[in-house]
Amino acid sequence: DAGVTQSPTHLIKTRGQQVTLRCSPKSGHDTVSWYQQALGQGPQFIFQYYEEEERQRGNFPDRFSGHQFPNYSSELNVNALLLGDSALYLCASSQGQGDTQETQYFGPGTRLLVL
Amino acid sequence: GDSVTQMEGPVTLSEEACLTINCTYTATGYPSLFWYVQYPGEGLQLLLKATKADDKGSNKGFEATYRKETTSFHLEKGSVQVSDSAVYFCALSYGEGFQKLVFGTGTRLLVSP
Repeated sequence: DAGVTQSPTHLIKTRGQQVTLRCSPKSGHDTVSWYQQALGQGPQFIFQYYEEEERQRGNFPDRFSGHQFPNYSSELNVNALLLGDSALYLCASSQGQGDTQETQYFGPGTRLLVL
Repeated sequence: GDSVTQMEGPVTLSEEACLTINCTYTATGYPSLFWYVQYPGEGLQLLLKATKADDKGSNKGFEATYRKETTSFHLEKGSVQVSDSAVYFCALSYGEGFQKLVFGTGTRLLVSP
């Protein structure tokens, strides 16, 4: 049973560029959440997708956008990259009812470096 | 808003020593509580969870009890191993119709032989 997968594993971009990160959820999961983890910090919630719609959003600017596909996979897009966007981006999947007891399972992350 | 506070690291222990990592939370309502572990260069793995007051989560010799009266969820292990060296994150989950994890800043554990 495949867990959560993310691609690419590493990425280097320059300021002002745009980036797309991809995530495939664990089998049987229909909800995908994205988190940003800066070096030495805990992950920060970006947004959550369920039934192809953004269900909830954290305190991130509109430069961060996402999409969920009918097969439940998801993309995170970041426009106009800033140096401060350098971080590990984590995708997590869970089952959809929005129950706070549900466990979120994390992928290995995509490490983004903005120069 | 909701938040999680963890003890600062690193915590440095010798193999077979006892471990306690403190975690306290602030939340409206009744969140679920989690401990995740992150090994070098990897994503987060769920270690254990508790979903209501007085529940005890346990896994791989680690334990934590959901204490509503002290708003705490301290992680404990009786005898640590070198392989336990990692960063440990305490988190709470809340939301009406959605689930959002709020993490502490993490505590690095270093276990020496």
